[in-house]
Amino acid sequence: QQPVQSPQAVILREGEDAVINCSSSKALYSVHWYRQKHGEAPVFLMILLKGGEQKGHEKISASFNEKKQQSSLYLTASQLSYSGTYFCGTGGGGNKLTFGTGTQLKVEL
Amino acid sequence: DGGITQSPKYLFRKEGQNVTLSCEQNLNHDAMYWYRQDPGQGLRLIYYSQIVNDFQKGDIAEGYSVSREKKESFPLTVTSAQKNPTAFYLCASSADYHVQFFGPGTRLTVL
Repeated sequence: QQPVQSPQAVILREGEDAVINCSSSKALYSVHWYRQKHGEAPVFLMILLKGGEQKGHEKISASFNEKKQQSSLYLTASQLSYSGTYFCGTGGGGNKLTFGTGTQLKVEL
Repeated sequence: DGGITQSPKYLFRKEGQNVTLSCEQNLNHDAMYWYRQDPGQGLRLIYYSQIVNDFQKGDIAEGYSVSREKKESFPLTVTSAQKNPTAFYLCASSADYHVQFFGPGTRLTVL
C-alpha cells in the first residue's frame, strides 16, 4: 500500500515555512524524500533510517517517528527554487521503495 | 561523469506494437528499477533487479518485461499486452542504503 502524504498541495509566499507529512500502514525501516520539478526526474533530498537521527540541512530537515510509522519534511524560509512535487518513499527493509502520491508545493513572491 | 541515461526522451508507439526503453548507468550500482508515473500521481514500481541475471516483479508488472544481462543495463519492453502504456517512465539505480538515483525519463505516447 502506498504511504499517504498530506497536504496534497500547498502554496507559500517566499520566506514562509511548510511541513509535509508521510504516513504508512506498514512497519518502516527507512524513509526517503525526493523533489521533482515538472517534466524532470526526482532528485534525492535525504534519507532517514530506523534508529537514526533527524537529518537535514540548514533549511530543509526531516524527522522519522518509527512507532507511528510517520515522517515529516520541514521546509524553512522557503525559496522559489523549492517549488515542485515532493515524494516520500518508504522502505520495509529490502531494496524496494514504495512512493507516496506526492505533495505539490508552489512558492510565490 | 557518472550517471544514468535513458533513451529515447520521447517515444511514440502505435497500438499493438512492442517498444523497448533503454536504461544505462555507470555508477557501478547493483540494483536497478523501473517506475511508471501518470499525471498527478506518484511513482509505481514495474520491475527491479538487485543483481545481474535476476529481477523481480513490482506492483504493476503486467504487460511489461525486462532483462538484466549486464550490470550497467536494464532495458524495459512495453508489450502490446499493456492496455494503457501512455506514461512517463523512470529508471533508477541504487547502491548503499537503497538511495535511488533517477535517469531523466522517457515519455511514451501511444497513438
